[in-house]
Amino acid sequence: KQEVTQIPAALSVPEGENLVLNCSFTDSAIYNLQWFRQDPGKGLTSLLLIQSSQREQTSGRLNASLDKSSGRSTLYIAASQPGDSATYLCAARRGGGYNKLIFGAGTRLAVHP
Amino acid sequence: DADVTQTPRNRITKTGKRIMLECSQTKGHDRMYWYRQDPGLGLRLIYYSFDVKDINKGEISDGYSVSRQAQAKFSLSLESAIPNQTALYFCATSDFGAGEGETQYFGPGTRLLVL
Repeated sequence: KQEVTQIPAALSVPEGENLVLNCSFTDSAIYNLQWFRQDPGKGLTSLLLIQSSQREQTSGRLNASLDKSSGRSTLYIAASQPGDSATYLCAARRGGGYNKLIFGAGTRLAVHP
Repeated sequence: DADVTQTPRNRITKTGKRIMLECSQTKGHDRMYWYRQDPGLGLRLIYYSFDVKDINKGEISDGYSVSRQAQAKFSLSLESAIPNQTALYFCATSDFGAGEGETQYFGPGTRLLVL
């Protein structure tokens, strides 16, 4: 059974810092790994999707990496801003046919001015 | 207008009551999902539907039922609500035609409190 763990559970940093959020999964047979952002009252928004054959994906100040052999993914946020404050969740998709996502509990990020 | 909408956004009900949470989407996606989120836990899948005639149980379907009334509508029912069903409920959609890039699009959530 796939289990997804995110560390740390919460993080508070000053504006401008570069930071890394960690995600680990127990079953390396994943189809892809996704990172979502959750804002209160607004649901989840997909940030990056890394396919099993890829090692990383980048979007603006965000970079996500995937190491299937070690069961780890990281989300790197460069030059953090107060607007980055949110909860970040990673999710592992097991199979190509069924889009069933297994979510981690998330990392709650606060970026203060 | 939002692509995935959920009604109601907040609901307080009493133990034993039947309630329905509704989800509508304008994205034209064939696949729809219901999740619940509890504090300190990730989202857990309750039910999913890959088209109007296809309904499947997720990992925590006990105490819940669903109805896919149309491609755009997917409702979640709690036949007899209990306090441990207090949670934040999300509806999501995805497009099978997106292939390897298929991701899920979430509604804003329904916050449910069962007294």
